Amino acid sequence: GESVGLHLPTLSVQEGDNSIINCAYSNSASDYFIWYKQESGKGPQFIIDIRSNMDKRQGQRVTVLLNKTVKHLSLQIAATQPGDSAVYFCAEGYGGATNKLIFGTGTLLAVQP
Amino acid sequence: DTEVTQTPKHLVMGMTNKKSLKCEQHMGHRAMYWYKQKAKKPPELMFVYSYEKLSINESVPSRFSPECPNSSLLNLHLHALQPEDSALYLCASSQGDRGQGTQYFGPGTRLLVL
Repeated sequence: GESVGLHLPTLSVQEGDNSIINCAYSNSASDYFIWYKQESGKGPQFIIDIRSNMDKRQGQRVTVLLNKTVKHLSLQIAATQPGDSAVYFCAEGYGGATNKLIFGTGTLLAVQP
Repeated sequence: DTEVTQTPKHLVMGMTNKKSLKCEQHMGHRAMYWYKQKAKKPPELMFVYSYEKLSINESVPSRFSPECPNSSLLNLHLHALQPEDSALYLCASSQGDRGQGTQYFGPGTRLLVL
């Protein structure tokens, strides 16, 4: 289930299940979106990105979906493994004069064996 | 190779000390970034260097002083920090500075200010 408030939103899943992590972005002019995975004590690791001219992109075990109408981004992880346990951040970027990313608040994915 | 390295991994300093954080990348990227990250929070942008010139300063206090000696190196000089500056400091780089360039992050330096 999910919990919000003072703590990081958390998604608990069973090993082998599919995970869906959601993100609402703020700027309708954003045209580039990235998902990062951050394990405890490490820097954010690039997972997958998508441009605004696409609505779906697939990688290895991961799929990103973009719904520009409602400014919503999701990351789907197939057959979730214990090694997927981490905090996941979405980030939005604008292809303007700078390469400034705006990060979402993050979701903690906890994979139960 | 998408590696960004940072040294030191951990740093403890007093409020009167002067220290420096270092970041290095050999991917030929021309944009480099410093971020600050507090526990359970997303990274917050501090500085952006583009082609070795400072292009963005997100109103960071002057006790943080960035430096880009060449296209592969980025330093963050620290002086007279406060305990609330304790955080994970992340360096990142991207191919260019103009939109849609994926930023690759280093492992960070965990800073504790006493």
